[in-house]
Amino acid sequence: EPEVTQTPSHQVTQMGQEVILRCVPISNHLYFYWYRQILGQKVEFLVSFYNNEISEKSEIFDDQFSVERPDGSNFTLKIRSTKLEDSAMYFCASSEGEVPNQPQHFGDGTRLSIL
Amino acid sequence: AQTVTQSQPEMSVQEAETVTLSCTYDTSESDYYLFWYKQPPSRQMILVIRQEAYKQQNATENRFSVNFQKAAKSFSLKISDSQLGDAAMYFCAYASGNQFYFGTGTSLTVIP
Repeated sequence: EPEVTQTPSHQVTQMGQEVILRCVPISNHLYFYWYRQILGQKVEFLVSFYNNEISEKSEIFDDQFSVERPDGSNFTLKIRSTKLEDSAMYFCASSEGEVPNQPQHFGDGTRLSIL
Repeated sequence: AQTVTQSQPEMSVQEAETVTLSCTYDTSESDYYLFWYKQPPSRQMILVIRQEAYKQQNATENRFSVNFQKAAKSFSLKISDSQLGDAAMYFCAYASGNQFYFGTGTSLTVIP
């Protein structure tokens, strides 16, 4: 069964540095998402992306964050000037059609640790 | 604002027994979807079951069923004949439009 894959599984970065989290959505999916889960807390929506542009974003997704689909297969989340509070699990998801009509498929996540 | 509340941070159940996980939500929307996701230690979230708000019939997927009470804004998950592989974090989620709102999760332990 096709899967959403995320790399790396664990990223350690110095505070203030930029980090790029990578995701390869399922190939025929058209909608892409990023979520964040701070340790011990709930999963939080960050952003949804469709047709090469952001369709929705949460209050968390400020100017520090950006997303891109650079080559038709990867979907990246860039965090500029990382802060300690950016430490979290970041999940990528994709769906064939618009949620919630179509189910989302999640990747295994990238654990981001900011030192 | 939409909120999802899971009041049980931890639950345990004997293998083969039945357990019910609670979830309440708050919304002013009339058209929305509700979900239960399972997050095992491997971390990937897996959709367990979903319910469309306009459907009165409770959704069922094998051993998993929901009790959807729209007026009470309640959406509980019942797991029957619990198995060791059911041990995981369970997240209740609400979706309207293109955004998901998750609860804080319930950690389910299955006792052999």
